[in-house]
Amino acid sequence: AQSVAQPEDQVNVAEGNPLTVKCTYSVSGNPYLFWYVQYPNRGLQFLLKYITGDNLVKGSYGFEAEFNKSQTSFHLKKPSALVSDSALYFCAVSMYSGGGADGLTFGKGTHLIIQP
Amino acid sequence: GAGVSQTPSNKVTEKGKYVELRCDPISGHTALYWYRQSLGQGPEFLIYFQGTGAADDSGLPNDRFFAVRPEGSVSTLKIQRTERGDSAVYLCASSLTRTLNIKNIQYFGAGTRLSVL
Repeated sequence: AQSVAQPEDQVNVAEGNPLTVKCTYSVSGNPYLFWYVQYPNRGLQFLLKYITGDNLVKGSYGFEAEFNKSQTSFHLKKPSALVSDSALYFCAVSMYSGGGADGLTFGKGTHLIIQP
Repeated sequence: GAGVSQTPSNKVTEKGKYVELRCDPISGHTALYWYRQSLGQGPEFLIYFQGTGAADDSGLPNDRFFAVRPEGSVSTLKIQRTERGDSAVYLCASSLTRTLNIKNIQYFGAGTRLSVL
């Protein structure tokens, strides 16, 4: 069975500072990794994903994530945080089987709070 | 049209009642997924469809839960004999296909908040 761990319930960062939201995963094969963001009363919005290729993936709104196979991690990063980045962030993993992708397995989420 | 549409946005029901939750995916998307998000948790996979057929229903918690997608577009999640533990936000997502590639991602609706009293 696959699983995702987000070890921090909340991350606090001052505006303008770099941010990191941690994610580790456990799968039996090659993982396909995703980050989604959730704003209050809104659906999940896709940020970025790793399928194959370069370990550093760039996504929406200046976010990026680095796939590290040896550490089974896929941490989300941004060089300079904005107050508007404050939201709930989810890491997810999917397995590719047969004809396509299975449903996503999500972590519990990390509240990111950017302080002015 | 726009994104994934879910109706109703909120549903309050009494324990033991039957409810239906509707999902209207993005036009042309062949894959459709249902998830359940309990308070303070990440979304939990329930079922997905490729076209009209349920390709994987392993996430459905028990036989009170059932989903259909008769014409390969709109899907309905049905819950019989609701229990208080069924209270959660039910999310629907769609993607162009099931194929994993750079361009194909799951787009989520805003969800239906189900409250069982």
